[in-house]
Amino acid sequence: SQTIHQWPATLVQPVGSPLSLECTVEGTSNPNLYWYRQAAGRGLQLLFYSVGIGQISSEVPQNLSASRPQDRQFILSSKKLLLSDSGFYLCAWSVRAGVSPLHFGNGTRLTVT
Amino acid sequence: SQQGEEDPQALSIQEGENATMNCSYKTSINNLQWYRQNSGRGLVHLILIRSNEREKHSGRLRVTLDTSKKSSSLLITASRAADTASYFCATDREYGNKLVFGAGTILRVKS
Repeated sequence: SQTIHQWPATLVQPVGSPLSLECTVEGTSNPNLYWYRQAAGRGLQLLFYSVGIGQISSEVPQNLSASRPQDRQFILSSKKLLLSDSGFYLCAWSVRAGVSPLHFGNGTRLTVT
Repeated sequence: SQQGEEDPQALSIQEGENATMNCSYKTSINNLQWYRQNSGRGLVHLILIRSNEREKHSGRLRVTLDTSKKSSSLLITASRAADTASYFCATDREYGNKLVFGAGTILRVKS
């Protein structure tokens, strides 16, 4: 069966520090991968998605970047965090983009202080 | 920008009652999906309804889709305290390759 791992679960980082959040999927090949951010009490904002290794599409210009160094690994990064980067970050995968369900990780709660 | 908008924003009911949540969207879609999120956790997929379907059932869940009105509803029958969660609709844009989520409905089921 397929599983998705996302870590860390919580993170507190000072303004200006770097960020690296990792997500890995097991039990499937060539998944579509997504990073979403959820502000408190709000819906999900799509940040990045990837349909293959090295292929990254950015939805919102911002202080973050994403990379897919391996088929089932998706990394969210920042060189210098801003206060506004605080939020709940969710990684997800799907078999076929847009027409099949998304499977989410348990999320990372990021607080930038 | 958000494609789906849920209504109401929050709903509080007694255990055993039915809960109905609505979702409206703006552009043509291939399918519409409903998800559930328990506090502090990731989202869990509930049901997917395609644009050529009008109604779909899964256990105590019933989803309807009206493409002429660009709206969908999620009905949870005989609610339980464990149904307390946030519920989101998500749509894909026609020929698109990503899901866009609404702001969600917070459901509280009181026992």
